[in-house]
Amino acid sequence: DTAVSQTPKYLVTQMGNDKSIKCEQNLGHDTMYWYKQDSKKFLKIMFSYNNKELIINETVPNRFSPKSPDKAHLNLHINSLELGDSAVYFCASSQDVAAGGTKQQFFGPGTRLTVL
Amino acid sequence: AQSVSQHNHHVILSEAASLELGCNYSYGGTVNLFWYVQYPGQHLQLLLKYFSGDPLVKGIKGFEAEFIKSKFSFNLRKPSVQWSDTAEYFCAVNAGNAGNMLTFGGGTRLMVKP
Repeated sequence: DTAVSQTPKYLVTQMGNDKSIKCEQNLGHDTMYWYKQDSKKFLKIMFSYNNKELIINETVPNRFSPKSPDKAHLNLHINSLELGDSAVYFCASSQDVAAGGTKQQFFGPGTRLTVL
Repeated sequence: AQSVSQHNHHVILSEAASLELGCNYSYGGTVNLFWYVQYPGQHLQLLLKYFSGDPLVKGIKGFEAEFIKSKFSFNLRKPSVQWSDTAEYFCAVNAGNAGNMLTFGGGTRLMVKP
């Protein structure tokens, strides 16, 4: 059973389009995350979200928005795609952090986005 | 803001050689430290983590790391590498920040020659 899954695995699209990447976790976790890994393999946090709070890395453009239909899903929606958005996007989840402390994160397989 | 540095970008070793990958972070308070591995074409997997207690932590596949608070370091070690250890290794830090977000180092690409 896949703990954290993402779809699609690969996404190729034109500049200016709007696209979504889906993430689902079956671990019963309350907190989910999105990370971006650029062409140099550098990983950067984009969002942390649970049902109480969305925390956004201030460097993330507002064209990116997380959408959570329920506790097990955190989808990443991107408007007006740009060439620089090409990267691998990783979803992750952890137990609820609202009570404080650090929780281990479990990562999905990644979605490779290519913007032409 | 905290930052994480991995000084070795590429490391090439022969099988059975010993490995040490450096990781330094910049944050003066309490930190939680992680090493993740990314095998070719795969997702990130946790190798080991340090939250508190014994600063020498043992992880999976024979890896260990030592937290040296005075040096702001959390170096990863393995006494004898195997070809199957070829992967990208990432050090990550959580400095008790809101949202439990991790700050990653730039990664070290390890290639083990058979």
